[in-house]
Amino acid sequence: DTAVSQTPKYLVTQMGNDKSIKCEQNLGHDTMYWYKQDSKKFLKIMFSYNNKELIINETVPNRFSPKSPDKAHLNLHINSLELGDSAVYFCASSLGAGVPYGYTFGSGTRLTVV
Amino acid sequence: KNQVEQSPQSLIILEGKNCTLQCNYTVSPFSNLRWYKQDTGRGPVSLTIMTFSENTKSNGRYTATLDADTKQSSLHITASQLSDSASYICVVSQFSGGYNKLIFGAGTRLAVHP
Repeated sequence: DTAVSQTPKYLVTQMGNDKSIKCEQNLGHDTMYWYKQDSKKFLKIMFSYNNKELIINETVPNRFSPKSPDKAHLNLHINSLELGDSAVYFCASSLGAGVPYGYTFGSGTRLTVV
Repeated sequence: KNQVEQSPQSLIILEGKNCTLQCNYTVSPFSNLRWYKQDTGRGPVSLTIMTFSENTKSNGRYTATLDADTKQSSLHITASQLSDSASYICVVSQFSGGYNKLIFGAGTRLAVHP
């Protein structure tokens, strides 16, 4: 039944490792997003894909690489993890990108880099 | 600079009471304004979406207002319940490059006590 599901929910890893977070939506939405929620609780857009095409790519270190194998999936791969990457990462989806559609968020992945 | 500021940062009220949360923004070009509820450990859930021409929208006990001239919005919660305890996030959508980009406030953390 879960509309936007992320795995894993928790991820603890050491500095320098490479890790991936997966996201899947079963809503039939065309647009998917990755957001980062830092310690101050702001959510900031990282990437957005519309029909598998990258449309938003904010100023994010190139250690972060999104991959969208199809429009129902958007994965986030992070190379050479740093302490500052510790945050909660949210995946979201919307029907489209150009009109005020509602967003559906996943439950988040809490990443802790030690 | 595109910013969304919310007040108060936190609020404690007794069950059954009403409260109003404030949001000021300096986002341009403005597309729409959204209020989200985020429970601890969960992703944000949409409460209301208002475009430029709408100045009020209700969703059950939640009523949002928008004054696009003064760039202010409020979220009024009526007859609060314990389950209303959460963070309430004001989000302004900026229309840029053919796409909506969401800019999040830091949220107001509401605690409803019995």
